[in-house]
Amino acid sequence: SQTIHQWPATLVQPVGSPLSLECTVEGTSNPNLYWYRQAAGRGLQLLFYSVGIGQISSEVPQNLSASRPQDRQFILSSKKLLLSDSGFYLCAWSSGQSGTDQYFGPGTRLLVL
Amino acid sequence: AQSVTQPDIHITVSEGASLELRCNYSYGATPYLFWYVQSPGQGLQLLLKYFSGDTLVQGIKGFEAEFKRSQSSFNLRKPSVHWSDAAEYFCALSGGSYIPTFGRGTSLIVHP
Repeated sequence: SQTIHQWPATLVQPVGSPLSLECTVEGTSNPNLYWYRQAAGRGLQLLFYSVGIGQISSEVPQNLSASRPQDRQFILSSKKLLLSDSGFYLCAWSSGQSGTDQYFGPGTRLLVL
Repeated sequence: AQSVTQPDIHITVSEGASLELRCNYSYGATPYLFWYVQSPGQGLQLLLKYFSGDTLVQGIKGFEAEFKRSQSSFNLRKPSVHWSDAAEYFCALSGGSYIPTFGRGTSLIVHP
């Protein structure tokens, strides 16, 4: 069966510090991968998605970046965090076919102080 | 362009009462439709999905949803709500691309 992991689960970082959040998927190959952010009390905001290694599409311009160094690994990064980067970050995957359902990881709670 | 509207930000029901969460969509063809549930501090879990065929879809945890093309709706229902159903519910649409569109969510509060 397929599983999706995210770490860390919780992170407290000072403003201006770097960020690296990791997401890995097991039990499937060539998944589509997604990063979402969920601010408190608000819906999902798609940040990045990837349909293959090295292929990253950005949905929202900001100080975050994403990379996909391996087929089942998706990394969200920042060189300098802003207060507004605080939120709940969710990674998700779907199968290679378009229009299929997504499977979400447990999320990472990020607090920037 | 495609869109999903969940008109209710919060819904409060008593335990044991029936539930209906509304979802309306805008899309030029028959969409793929989904309902997800998110417990506090957790990721989203797929409850059910509609791709084609029978318009009444059964999901996990006793939930069902009905696709009504004439009303552009995909409402989620449950005949008897349990306290553990308290969560955030998201309706989503996929128009055949890699990028689904999510509604803003409905928060379900269950009173004992």
